Amino acid sequence: QVQLQESGPGLVKPSETLSLTCAVSGHSISSAYYWGWIRQSPGKGLEWIVSVYYTGSTYYNPSLKRRITTSRDTSKNQFSLNLSSVTAADTAIYYCARQGLSYQYFYDFDVWGQGALVTVSS
Amino acid sequence: QSALTQPPSASGSPGQSVTISCTGTSRDVGGYNYVSWYQQHPGKAPKLMIYEVNKRPSGVPDRFSGSKSGNTASLTVSGLQAEDEADYYCNSYAGSNILVFGTGTKVTVL
Repeated sequence: QVQLQESGPGLVKPSETLSLTCAVSGHSISSAYYWGWIRQSPGKGLEWIVSVYYTGSTYYNPSLKRRITTSRDTSKNQFSLNLSSVTAADTAIYYCARQGLSYQYFYDFDVWGQGALVTVSS
Repeated sequence: QSALTQPPSASGSPGQSVTISCTGTSRDVGGYNYVSWYQQHPGKAPKLMIYEVNKRPSGVPDRFSGSKSGNTASLTVSGLQAEDEADYYCNSYAGSNILVFGTGTKVTVL
């Protein structure tokens, strides 16, 4: 059974970089699937951020692309998100998820982490 | 890429059916058969209910069904139960390796 767990600072100052890690158990992130990040601002809807294929290929939300960097640590079976130059608008619950049921995997999020609330405030 | 349009709310009595629409354009919903639907209870992570327009993951009741016509996708919940009260979001492929979510619909079981 695949499980995902987000971790990272719950409070980030404006203009700094938000960093989150998603630890995966039950499946190797380097053997298949896309692994993505989605966020949800308080009381608002879902927003796709980025998806990373097991090969390392990465696809971005165009509106966030210039501020996003991603990385993977296959030895720890985890992947990470960095979002730079944050503002209050980046305050949200950040979810990591596996993209794994659709043809070629990319088109749905079938397993989700519980989410991590990140607040941007001085 | 703009968010897909969903009605803010929908409701039905127990046992009835409710249908939620998800309207996009020919560049997203209308252009691909890659629409998925998610159920989210308060304080919980979203749960995949439908993928590739009308396919149900293992464990999702067959009361949940999906369809698409033109630029609008729909999720129908038949035989409404109290536990179906939640927020529902659609998602579509929008080309160029981009995914876009809908604005979300709050379903109330009366």
